[in-house]
Amino acid sequence: DVKVTQSSRYLVKRTGEKVFLECVQDMDHENMFWYRQDPGLGLRLIYFSYDVKMKEKGDIPEGYSVSREKKERFSLILESASTNQTSMYLCASSGGLQETQYFGPGTRLLVL
Amino acid sequence: GENVEQHPSTLSVQEGDSAVIKCTYSDSASNYFPWYKQELGKRPQLIIDIRSNVGEKKDQRIAVTLNKTAKHFSLHITETQPEDSAVYFCAASRTGNQFYFGTGTSLTVIP
Repeated sequence: DVKVTQSSRYLVKRTGEKVFLECVQDMDHENMFWYRQDPGLGLRLIYFSYDVKMKEKGDIPEGYSVSREKKERFSLILESASTNQTSMYLCASSGGLQETQYFGPGTRLLVL
Repeated sequence: GENVEQHPSTLSVQEGDSAVIKCTYSDSASNYFPWYKQELGKRPQLIIDIRSNVGEKKDQRIAVTLNKTAKHFSLHITETQPEDSAVYFCAASRTGNQFYFGTGTSLTVIP
């Protein structure tokens, strides 16, 4: 059974803080993704990675960066959190780009 | 990039009735179309998918149809049950590329 875990379910941060969201998968998947989910906007891709140390920008990368030092771990970094980054963040992994994406439980981030 | 539109945004049906959710896409090169179900407070999970070499696919009460000419695909749920209540997302992808998701449909099945 594929397992994708995220470091926190709920997070409250202050404007300007540096925020780290971590995602770990146990299926040796090549591809990992970070999405944000907002009401009425669906799932929007922030960044994805198709290999260790490789990353590609998604549709909304501004204000975010990512790190993939190990195959199983993909981190999303908010360099200086802002209130418009309050959202649900979902991590996903897949064995191939057109294969099933397995999602983590999500991190609900509130930036005050 | 690809643009995926999904309708309706909300849908209420009586238990036992059918539900249909429609998505359109813009990139004619898209060839893979998954559907995800997200129950309240839970993670999205794949429920069915279809590739462009097939026009229809069924799995028990769930079916997906694809019209490549019109660039739209639909999810059909028959004999709906309360546990079908969830948000459903469609997505489109072309070979070697990322998924583009629709904005979601909140389905409520009324007992």
